[in-house]
Amino acid sequence: DGGITQSPKYLFRKEGQNVTLSCEQNLNHDAMYWYRQDPGQGLRLIYYSQIVNDFQKGDIAEGYSVSREKKESFPLTVTSAQKNPTAFYLCASTPTGWNEQFFGPGTRLTVL
Amino acid sequence: QKEVEQNSGPLSVPEGAIASLNCTYSDRVSQSFFWYRQYSGKSPELIMSIYSNGDKEDGRFTAQLNKASQYVSLLIRDSQPSDSATYLCAVLNSGGYQKVTFGTGTKLQVIP
Repeated sequence: DGGITQSPKYLFRKEGQNVTLSCEQNLNHDAMYWYRQDPGQGLRLIYYSQIVNDFQKGDIAEGYSVSREKKESFPLTVTSAQKNPTAFYLCASTPTGWNEQFFGPGTRLTVL
Repeated sequence: QKEVEQNSGPLSVPEGAIASLNCTYSDRVSQSFFWYRQYSGKSPELIMSIYSNGDKEDGRFTAQLNKASQYVSLLIRDSQPSDSATYLCAVLNSGGYQKVTFGTGTKLQVIP
């Protein structure tokens, strides 16, 4: 099956811990994105990557880090520097030459 | 000023009626416009894209775009209870990186 997968579906983190959220796609999409969604707010862009080994900060990159070593994978690390990390995290990708973004199922992160 | 504005709702319509969802945007040179449907606890699903002024129909969905008024809308005909969800308007801005800005969404409730 082709698609975008995110794991885990639910993640619990203690304060002070770093955690890594996985995003994988087998659609051969070049561009990948990470968003954060909080209740009553729109999606906010954390990081994006248009090609392998290159990525750019979005609007709210502080406290987050990413890597793009393979076209299929774009993991997001939520570091202890992120002060309010509890949120729904969404990964998306875009086919080459398209404008539309397609989303994975999301990871819900809760800080205990 | 928010870049993409939507009424948060809830918008309640009876089953079988037409639901009308509205969105305004601030960037006059925006190129492309999208509507996503998001069920509670799930990720957004793309349902319509529109690029030029006028109407675009796909099944029970019609997207309407008026660039002069910076207004985009989504009509859902013969609304069904399964259409009950939050609808996100998204706008692709021009520029070096084509950033997509999302509205906060309108919650639609279809009453059986």
